[in-house]
Amino acid sequence: NAGVMQNPRHLVRRRGQEARLRCSPMKGHSHVYWYRQLPEEGLKFMVYLQKENIIDESGMPKERFSAEFPKEGPSILRIQQVVRGDSAAYFCASSVLAGAYEQYFGPGTRLTVT
Amino acid sequence: AQTVTQSQPEMSVQEAETVTLSCTYDTSENNYYLFWYKQPPSRQMILVIRQEAYKQQNATENRFSVNFQKAAKSFSLKISDSQLGDTAMYFCAFMKGNNAGNMLTFGGGTRLMVKP
Repeated sequence: NAGVMQNPRHLVRRRGQEARLRCSPMKGHSHVYWYRQLPEEGLKFMVYLQKENIIDESGMPKERFSAEFPKEGPSILRIQQVVRGDSAAYFCASSVLAGAYEQYFGPGTRLTVT
Repeated sequence: AQTVTQSQPEMSVQEAETVTLSCTYDTSENNYYLFWYKQPPSRQMILVIRQEAYKQQNATENRFSVNFQKAAKSFSLKISDSQLGDTAMYFCAFMKGNNAGNMLTFGGGTRLMVKP
């Protein structure tokens, strides 16, 4: 059973470009979470999605950031007009059900904005 | 809102010895879960151990055990017989227990170095 997959693993964007980060949850998991880790800090929650629904986006910046989890295909975290402060590691996690079921993490995408 | 605090930015321990990492949290919830995650240099987040707040018995997973003090809102991790592979960042995390698919709230992490 493949784990949570994220691609790309590394992404370099110039200021003003768009970044698209992809997350394929574990097989059978329909709950996806995105977290951001700034250098030397812990992970910070961004958004929680189920298939075709955003359940909790309380950690998402109000502008430039969006997320989706379509009926088919991976979850996408989109960052428009990236700035240097967006440079971070972005982790996706998935769980089989809501609640205190273990969240399995992907390897992360390291975004560097030049 | 919940907060999680790890007061030790860095720690070191000799191989085969025991080390304890501290974690405190603040919440008004009565039902919740606590976790320790390990992040080695590969950056992969690995669940080490979890504790349900309603359980009085401290969780144990092989060489890893916790000291959960609910009244003090303290949740420390003890690593026995430390191994070189335990070198990593360790994050304490909190999750509300209302079964609504909640997010994890992480502490700032403790960098553990196991020395040969």
